[in-house]
Amino acid sequence: QVQLVESGGGVVQPGRSLRLSCAASGFTFSSFGMHWVRQASGKGLEWVAVISYDGSNKYYADSVKGRFTISRDNSKNTVYLQMNSLRAEDTAVYYCAKDSRTLAVDPGSGDFWGQGTLVTVSS
Amino acid sequence: DIQMTQSPSSLSASVGDRVTITCQASQDIRKYLNWYQQKPRKAPKLLIYDASILETGVPSRFSGSGSGTDFTFTISSLQPEDIATYYCQQYDNLPPTFGQGTRLEIK
Repeated sequence: QVQLVESGGGVVQPGRSLRLSCAASGFTFSSFGMHWVRQASGKGLEWVAVISYDGSNKYYADSVKGRFTISRDNSKNTVYLQMNSLRAEDTAVYYCAKDSRTLAVDPGSGDFWGQGTLVTVSS
Repeated sequence: DIQMTQSPSSLSASVGDRVTITCQASQDIRKYLNWYQQKPRKAPKLLIYDASILETGVPSRFSGSGSGTDFTFTISSLQPEDIATYYCQQYDNLPPTFGQGTRLEIK
């Protein structure tokens, strides 16, 4: 069965960096794009970034563009989110999600989500 | 960005009731709309994609309809385990955007 396990969250000071990982299993990872979506405590869902199945296309929310970088290693079935210049407003649970479309140039949406990892940006 | 306006923001209903949530897009999104269920401290779960297609394993009391800008999500007979927050999401255009959520409670 599909499994996504996020890791790398924690407490970090404003302006510092953090890298999240999402280990995938139970499906052909190299055939699907992957998303990151975040949720601040008590708030709604905010899409963050997506990477295509082969890593050739990447898209970001305006709120993180220039600060966050999404990448993947298909040999390790893992997607990453490098977060630089972190701000208090980046505090949230970060979910990775498998894209619904196979071998797609244009991403679809997340059809299966991991359990999330909490990032807290605080001095 | 496409704005998704979901209503109501909260809803209280009795077991067995028919429950309806609506979602309006700020522009035509064709059929590219998801409905997710999120229970407290859990990840969102996809229930319906392409506006009306039930994800595998999802009970048939859940349904979705609509196209273009106006969409509806229905639970035909509310069950206690349906207590959750429900979100719509469009994926016709990047960035994918979510509605603000509907918190469903048992009366």
